[in-house]
Amino acid sequence: DSGVTQTPKHLITATGQRVTLRCSPRSGDLSVYWYQQSLDQGLQFLIQYYNGEERAKGNILERFSAQQFPDLHSELNLSSLELGDSALYFCASSLDARVEDEQYFGPGTRLTVT
Amino acid sequence: AQKITQTQPGMFVQEKEAVTLDCTYDTSDPSYGLFWYKQPSSGEMIFLIYQGSYDQQNATEGRYSLNFQKARKSANLVISASQLGDSAMYFCATVHSQKLVFGQGTRLTINP
Repeated sequence: DSGVTQTPKHLITATGQRVTLRCSPRSGDLSVYWYQQSLDQGLQFLIQYYNGEERAKGNILERFSAQQFPDLHSELNLSSLELGDSALYFCASSLDARVEDEQYFGPGTRLTVT
Repeated sequence: AQKITQTQPGMFVQEKEAVTLDCTYDTSDPSYGLFWYKQPSSGEMIFLIYQGSYDQQNATEGRYSLNFQKARKSANLVISASQLGDSAMYFCATVHSQKLVFGQGTRLTINP
């Protein structure tokens, strides 16, 4: 158990809908990262937050947004969902802002868009 | 652009044998780090080992070691005395422009 929690574990929704994925980092970790793992794109970095502020951005679509709250939990919002958004979404956390620091991954949220 | 290449989509190894998973990288950064993660069938990503480009010694963590050859731009993961529980996907990754970039992964199957 990495100490990172993600809810829900599974999510099935229809195209055009909006969903919110939630992540609680390990106690004491200030950075939260979001990743998308799909069969065609592999594992891709989406976005990093550090202590409430956006720190780095990767291949995140404009239809996706994220935020980190004062209690350091984070949410990833996915809107106008398409079939291609079906994937495993991981949250990871680390102690500090450095990407080189060991990242602890949550169990993931499996999103299926039908 | 940073690129990580894992050329072995799948590998089959007998239990107790050592296994080497290949990883090559392409970077122009003077300083960088290489990571290996394991993803069992349950789906979670587990950090295994890290090597910094300026580290003099190859990193080791228990049965895992990293065969880092800077001139060849390779960072192969070596698992000694493989166990059935080592069956999983293995990902090599590096940091580029403040983000972790992953290879496509190698599926390792350990046969009894």
